[in-house]
Amino acid sequence: DVKVTQSSRYLVKRTGEKVFLECVQDMDHENMFWYRQDPGLGLRLIYFSYDVKMKEKGDIPEGYSVSREKKERFSLILESASTNQTSMYLCASISLGAAQPQHFGDGTRLSIL
Amino acid sequence: GQQVMQIPQYQHVQEGEDFTTYCNSSTTLSNIQWYKQRPGGHPVFLIQLVKSGEVKKQKRLTFQFGEAKKNSSLHITATQTTDVGTYFCAGGGNTGKLIFGQGTTLQVKP
Repeated sequence: DVKVTQSSRYLVKRTGEKVFLECVQDMDHENMFWYRQDPGLGLRLIYFSYDVKMKEKGDIPEGYSVSREKKERFSLILESASTNQTSMYLCASISLGAAQPQHFGDGTRLSIL
Repeated sequence: GQQVMQIPQYQHVQEGEDFTTYCNSSTTLSNIQWYKQRPGGHPVFLIQLVKSGEVKKQKRLTFQFGEAKKNSSLHITATQTTDVGTYFCAGGGNTGKLIFGQGTTLQVKP
C-alpha cells in the first residue's frame, strides 16, 4: 500500500512567519503534488513536481514555493504566511504515466493567526 | 483555463434514496477520476473512466463518462449512512495533473 505522510495534522502559525509543510511518500513515485482545500472550492493545485529538483506552478502558486531535493520528499513553503493561507493542505503522489490514481496524505490543517 | 464544474454542492437524502452528482468540463478530458473523502479524512480514489460513453459499476455506485468526454456522473442507488462524505470528480490530461471539481457533500439521514 502506498503511504503518503504529511509531517503535521494541525499547525498554528503567525502572520509573517515562514512555514514549512513536509510530505514524504514511500513508493518511489515520480510525481508529487500540493493542493489546498477550501469549502466550496474543492482541491486547487498549488505546485507539482515530476522529478527531483523539478517543479511547476499549479493554478494558485502565489505566496508559495516548493522544494524537491529527494525523490520521496516534497516540501511546501509559505514564505511569509498570511491569514488568507489558512486552509487544509493536501499532498499527493502518483507513479509515472498518465491516468494513474493520486494517493493523498492525511492533510495538514494550517491556521495563520 | 480548464475548469471542471460539479453540482450540486450539497445533497441531503433519506437513507434508501438515490443520489447523483454531475461533473462538466470546459474541455475534452483524457480521463476522469472519482474520489471520496470521508469527514475528517483525505480523498480516496474510487475509479477511473477513460473511454467515451464508458459505464462502470461498483456495487451500488454507477459511474458514467459522456460520449464527448466532457461530462461525467456518479449515481448511488439506495444510499446508506456509510455513503456520507464528499465526492470529487477530477479531470485528467496526459501529464498526471488533475483538475478537481468543487465536490458534492452527501448527508444521509438514517
